Amino acid sequence: DAGITQSPRHKVTETGTPVTLRCHQTENHRYMYWYRQDPGHGLRLIHYSYGVKDTDKGEVSDGYSVSRSKTEDFLLTLESATSSQTSVYFCAISESRQAEGYTFGSGTRLTVV
Amino acid sequence: AQSVAQPEDQVNVAEGNPLTVKCTYSVSGNPYLFWYVQYPNRGLQFLLKYITGDNLVKGSYGFEAEFNKSQTSFHLKKPSALVSDSALYFCAVSRPNSGYSTLTFGKGTMLLVSP
Repeated sequence: DAGITQSPRHKVTETGTPVTLRCHQTENHRYMYWYRQDPGHGLRLIHYSYGVKDTDKGEVSDGYSVSRSKTEDFLLTLESATSSQTSVYFCAISESRQAEGYTFGSGTRLTVV
Repeated sequence: AQSVAQPEDQVNVAEGNPLTVKCTYSVSGNPYLFWYVQYPNRGLQFLLKYITGDNLVKGSYGFEAEFNKSQTSFHLKKPSALVSDSALYFCAVSRPNSGYSTLTFGKGTMLLVSP
């Protein structure tokens, strides 16, 4: 998807290891979001950012942390990966604080074994 | 709190027939409503949104949706389905406020269009 890239696209990791997912945007949008997608749950918000060094928790933030040291990068870290964190992770960006519509990245498929 | 319900896990329709994917929402105040589509192994793509104004919203690929405040619904429709419309569809809601609002998504509805 133009203007927003996620890396890696796929990752397999072992239980207990730390994992960092990266979201990079070239749109200079202030607002960035991390969601996870699971069957039967749709997309659920993990964390979001409303500016450099400004972040807040979403509905499923336990076990996750985020950092935003630059406008263009939003990192999601699983401090100690668990099997329940096996999921597809999507980053999204938005120009507006009123969530008038997001642009999504292509996702990262994470498997914790 | 805001929430979205998509009561059908899957909708099956024959090509050329009209399709409807249902969505109801719960939010205090006036909502912003959205439909997104996801093709296999892809991110979500924006289809259409209702912010204010005309209750009938037209979007990409011939899709439209009608905002019904009394029924708290925002059903997605298309007059004539195509096989290429087969995908996973998500309804989402946000509530504009004085702070920062975020999108809440439904669980998704798989649309299967048969030839």
